[in-house]
Amino acid sequence: NAGVTQTPKFQVLKTGQSMTLQCAQDMNHNSMYWYRQDPGMGLRLIYYSASEGTTDKGEVPNGYNVSRLNKREFSLRLESAAPSQTSVYFCASSEFPGINEQFFGPGTRLTVL
Amino acid sequence: QKEVEQNSGPLSVPEGAIASLNCTYSDRGSQSFFWYRQYSGKSPELIMSIYSNGDKEDGRFTAQLNKASQYVSLLIRDSQPSDSATYLCAARMDSSYKLIFGSGTRLLVRP
Repeated sequence: NAGVTQTPKFQVLKTGQSMTLQCAQDMNHNSMYWYRQDPGMGLRLIYYSASEGTTDKGEVPNGYNVSRLNKREFSLRLESAAPSQTSVYFCASSEFPGINEQFFGPGTRLTVL
Repeated sequence: QKEVEQNSGPLSVPEGAIASLNCTYSDRGSQSFFWYRQYSGKSPELIMSIYSNGDKEDGRFTAQLNKASQYVSLLIRDSQPSDSATYLCAARMDSSYKLIFGSGTRLLVRP
């Protein structure tokens, strides 16, 4: 039982490149979330998926797209990376939308040059 | 305007002391509150949740909520060096799926 897994752990991109961050959970959770964490800013919600087949914008969705591929997997895509997207990205899941405990993955550290 | 405010710290306490971490929130509609602990380079983990006014105790941790003052706190009794981490306060309105996080308070427990 791995919980929430994320790939890759580290990534360096050049401005304008694209990439997809992968997230998977094996807890049979319905809801999944993508956050970014910047120094002094705390965690900010990018997108979330309350249930399979639905996605909604969070606080900072600009420059990102998401896909809820199935119940287990929720990916985050950067179509044209910008230095402002340098951050640590966390995926999280919860049993149901808004349920108290969100379980977080180990994070992806992304640097955009 | 940040909706959930925390002092960034660091808050430094000696081993065995009580650490008091504070959080204020701006939205009176917030109903549920959470404390997450995050070790350096790691992901956040939930340590306490609180929904009604008053105190809630779990082992060495006590969460306190005062909705009139829009204030949440976390007390850590008998602080240990292993408690040294960043503590994130989060709030959620019942009508929303979203958690709003504060920027965190760094706690340092000195041996």
